[in-house]
Amino acid sequence: DTAVSQTPKYLVTQMGNDKSIKCEQNLGHDTMYWYKQDSKKFLKIMFSYNNKELIINETVPNRFSPKSPDKAHLNLHINSLELGDSAVYFCASSRTGQSPLHFGNGTRLTVT
Amino acid sequence: KNEVEQSPQNLTAQEGEFITINCSYSVGISALHWLQQHPGGGIVSLFMLSSGKKKHGRLIATINIQEKHSSLHITASHPRDSAVYICAVFNQYGNKLVFGAGTILRVKS
Repeated sequence: DTAVSQTPKYLVTQMGNDKSIKCEQNLGHDTMYWYKQDSKKFLKIMFSYNNKELIINETVPNRFSPKSPDKAHLNLHINSLELGDSAVYFCASSRTGQSPLHFGNGTRLTVT
Repeated sequence: KNEVEQSPQNLTAQEGEFITINCSYSVGISALHWLQQHPGGGIVSLFMLSSGKKKHGRLIATINIQEKHSSLHITASHPRDSAVYICAVFNQYGNKLVFGAGTILRVKS
């Protein structure tokens, strides 16, 4: 069973479109994250949700809107996609506080 | 300057060599993670440390809180260890993770 699953794995779309990436975890964790990995492979946190509440929003354009319907899901919706949004997006989860992180396999977004 | 600095950025080793990757950070932390990212892209958590030393198989991670420094060691390296190794620190409140830029390791047979 996959602990943290993201869909889709690949997403190719045109500028200006709106798209969503879904993330689900079956570990019973109460904290979920979205990270962006740029072309230089540098990881940066975008959002952190704890028990469905937004904890961190790191200077991310408001075109990005996370949605957490329940503790097991954290979806990422992106409006008006731009070329610079092309990257790999990783979802992760953990227990609150200090605990190991579990990552999804990533979604490679390509905006043309 | 990034709050988390790793060295070296790139490392090539022969199979069997002992490898060390270093991580220094400039902020107060509650915990430090070592992550491994394989060429396929998936990220795996190797260790989470808040003090001392941890060992798992051929991997050893140490942290010195006073010096704000951690090391990841790989003994008897193998080509399958080739990956990007990333150091990340949780801030003192435990709610923000800051990543180093990663170390690209290649182990040749």
